[in-house]
Amino acid sequence: EVQLVESGGGLLQPGGSLRLSCAVSGFTFSNYWMNWVRQAPGKGLVWVSIINNEGSDTSYADSVKGRFTIFRDNAKNTLFLQMNSLRPEDTGVYYCGRDGDGDDPIDYWGQGTLVTVSS
Amino acid sequence: QSVLTQPPSASETPGQRVTISCSGSSSNIGRKPVNWYQQLPGAAPKLLIYRSSQRPSGVPDRFSGSKSGTSASLAISGLQSEDEADYYCAAWDDSLNGYVFGTGTKVTVL
Repeated sequence: EVQLVESGGGLLQPGGSLRLSCAVSGFTFSNYWMNWVRQAPGKGLVWVSIINNEGSDTSYADSVKGRFTIFRDNAKNTLFLQMNSLRPEDTGVYYCGRDGDGDDPIDYWGQGTLVTVSS
Repeated sequence: QSVLTQPPSASETPGQRVTISCSGSSSNIGRKPVNWYQQLPGAAPKLLIYRSSQRPSGVPDRFSGSKSGTSASLAISGLQSEDEADYYCAAWDDSLNGYVFGTGTKVTVL
């Protein structure tokens, strides 16, 4: 059974840093591209970042470029999102998602972890 | 980040059919497959349709998807109370080099 479990969320002040983790099981992690998607309270889904299966290629939404870094540890089956210079508008639930085969979008999602940025 | 456009809400009585549209552009839906997700209240999104019209195992055949040009649609036939949820479309955007999601549609069973 495919499982993705996020952790690391919390409450912090603007300008702070946080690292999210996504531990996966049930599939060969090193074969799949992975994503982070966020959802502000009461709002829709917004894609944040993607990383290729080897960890050598990444892409980011304009809103987080230069502040967030996606990376992975294939030996530990874990995906990460390092978030720096956090802003109140970064508040929301962060989901990790497994990319589908070929050009298919995300097929499996974690349960999410809540990040709240507030003074 | 640009988004795919969906109607904010849709509603119908039990047993009826509801259709949700998803409008994009030539850089996303026009050239890439579309996925649809169902998000029940307080839960994570769940894959409902992949590759524009395919259902994962376990998804009832009441759910169907299609794509034409730069638009896609999701149809729910034989609507049931458990179908009350938010529905999102998504596709890769070659211009943005990232995924774009639909604005979301809240389905209400009257």
